[in-house]
Amino acid sequence: NAGVMQNPRHLVRRRGQEARLRCSPMKGHSHVYWYRQLPEEGLKFMVYLQKENIIDESGMPKERFSAEFPKEGPSILRIQQVVRGDSAAYFCASSRQAGGADTQYFGPGTRLTVL
Amino acid sequence: RKEVEQDPGPFNVPEGATVAFNCTYSNSASQSFFWYRQDCRKEPKLLMSVYSSGNEDGRFTAQLNRASQYISLLIRDSKLSDSATYLCAVENSGGSNYKLTFGKGTLLTVNP
Repeated sequence: NAGVMQNPRHLVRRRGQEARLRCSPMKGHSHVYWYRQLPEEGLKFMVYLQKENIIDESGMPKERFSAEFPKEGPSILRIQQVVRGDSAAYFCASSRQAGGADTQYFGPGTRLTVL
Repeated sequence: RKEVEQDPGPFNVPEGATVAFNCTYSNSASQSFFWYRQDCRKEPKLLMSVYSSGNEDGRFTAQLNRASQYISLLIRDSKLSDSATYLCAVENSGGSNYKLTFGKGTLLTVNP
């Protein structure tokens, strides 16, 4: 029973390039969440998606960041024109339902390094 | 006041010691609480959900105090393998009962 899958695990980009991070939720899970963990900081919520819908993107920076969860395929977190401050670990989590005590299970993360 | 605040740590304890972590939260409407464990450069893994009545899983005990708005995690007879960062997480109910707000984490090192 595969858990949450993320790829790539490590991504190096130069300033100004685009970064695409992918997340496949656990089987049977239709709720996806993206979190960012900056060095020496806690995990911060970015966005919550269901299939083909962005439910809450209140934690996303207003510019350069976007997310999608298409009907088919993984969820994508896209960062355009990356800057050094985007260097962080990006974790995706999924759950079967939203809210209540339904557990969010985390993927292994993508470590983005911007040179 | 920060939404979720944890003991800053780090904690260094010998094997066999009992260690306790506390975490306070600011949103009195919060309904769900969790402790996660995160090893270095790994993803957070759920350790325990925290229920109003308190709950125990082997050497681990979690408690919730709604009146004082804090949760705690007690580890008894600590093992070397317990060394990790412990994160408390609060799921806010104020219209967004899916968003986990994490504390910064408390680093625990168990020494032989």
